[in-house]
Amino acid sequence: KNEVEQSPQNLTAQEGEFITINCSYSVGISALHWLQQHPGGGIVSLFMLSSGKKKHGRLIATINIQEKHSSLHITASHPRDSAVYICAARIAGGTSYGKLTFGQGTILTVHP
Amino acid sequence: DTGVSQNPRHKITKRGQNVTFRCDPISEHNRLYWYRQTLGQGPEFLTYFQNEAQLEKSRLLSDRFSAERPKGSFSTLEIQRTEQGDSAMYLCASSLGGPGRQAKNIQYFGAGTRLSVL
Repeated sequence: KNEVEQSPQNLTAQEGEFITINCSYSVGISALHWLQQHPGGGIVSLFMLSSGKKKHGRLIATINIQEKHSSLHITASHPRDSAVYICAARIAGGTSYGKLTFGQGTILTVHP
Repeated sequence: DTGVSQNPRHKITKRGQNVTFRCDPISEHNRLYWYRQTLGQGPEFLTYFQNEAQLEKSRLLSDRFSAERPKGSFSTLEIQRTEQGDSAMYLCASSLGGPGRQAKNIQYFGAGTRLSVL
């Protein structure tokens, strides 16, 4: 079992729909990242969370440390949101050096 | 452009050949990471540098792989005697780690080098 699990693996939505992507982790973390990857490979960091909730435009990320669960929400989805969304955990501990352990990604396709 | 730069973007090679990739991190970043991503999977950690010191290597990094960061700035990842299983996207990320207000530990990723071994 992976230390970081995402669901769903694939998500198709109509433009305007509210989207939720879930991430669960089984290890102690110091922070959780949500990343966006477009075709061609480039990865952009969307959020880094250690508690609570963050909002940026139409994107909202939440984390529940006790339940070891995080969600990424997209409100009023748009075709340009189509991408792979990846959650990544920064494992807590002195020798982790900040390296990230990634989920397998959620492929989001938003149709007009 | 002050982001993380990786070269080349694409590399096609024949099995058994050696390849070298380069990563130029954001200039003030002391931490540099290499990750590998195969099709349909999330990236996996390969190795980590703090300044010029290579502090951690994944077991994924076989002895055919070597990485350097000679002056604590750019880094190279070399794969010797490439195999078809090495085909993947190789991602580099950098961050400013450590204590202090400027150290945000947010990793900034390059666009990656896509390796195809024929």
